[in-house]
Amino acid sequence: SQKIEQNSEALNIQEGKTATLTCNYTNYSPAYLQWYRQDPGRGPVFLLLIRENEKEKRKERLKVTFDTTLKQSLFHITASQPADSATYLCAWASGAGSYQLTFGKGTKLSVIP
Amino acid sequence: NAGVTQTPKFRILKIGQSMTLQCTQDMNHNYMYWYRQDPGMGLKLIYYSVGAGITDKGEVPNGYNVSRSTTEDFPLRLELAAPSQTSVYFCASSYSLGRADTQYFGPGTRLTVL
Repeated sequence: SQKIEQNSEALNIQEGKTATLTCNYTNYSPAYLQWYRQDPGRGPVFLLLIRENEKEKRKERLKVTFDTTLKQSLFHITASQPADSATYLCAWASGAGSYQLTFGKGTKLSVIP
Repeated sequence: NAGVTQTPKFRILKIGQSMTLQCTQDMNHNYMYWYRQDPGMGLKLIYYSVGAGITDKGEVPNGYNVSRSTTEDFPLRLELAAPSQTSVYFCASSYSLGRADTQYFGPGTRLTVL
């Protein structure tokens, strides 16, 4: 069965550096891959969506890439700030007949001043 | 717009008790979802609805029931609460199919079953 895995449970990075978070999947390529941010005690907040036929999506300091050869999506935050500290979730969905998003366990990012 | 609201924020139940978690959205979204999130785990889909009167099971539906009588409301019912249902519950909604569209989440309900 399809699995989605976020490589790191936690990532610490110095302020100003680029944070890179990884989401890997097994078997078939998801039709859509979404990234969410979750702060402690709050619900996830949508950040970016990338489709299978797209290689890259950007939004301000955020960038998502999708590499179907490596079966991987990378999520980048450039010029990271302490306010970027949160847990980041990736979620995938297949294309046909599925209403479901399957979420990874998340990566907790800490940006150190 | 308030977005997606959930009540209560916290609740402690005894084993065997029942309760209803409330969820309301004011964005006129057709699609609504219930997830649970256990510590260190990803969100798991319990039930979803594609419109008033239409619901379907997700990945972990056992021990739960839902109904959708209006577009705005999607309550989740726990019957005979068990310790395994201790979790944080999130309700979400989306304008179109969740897989290709933004899901808007509520603030969550933290439930403890003792």
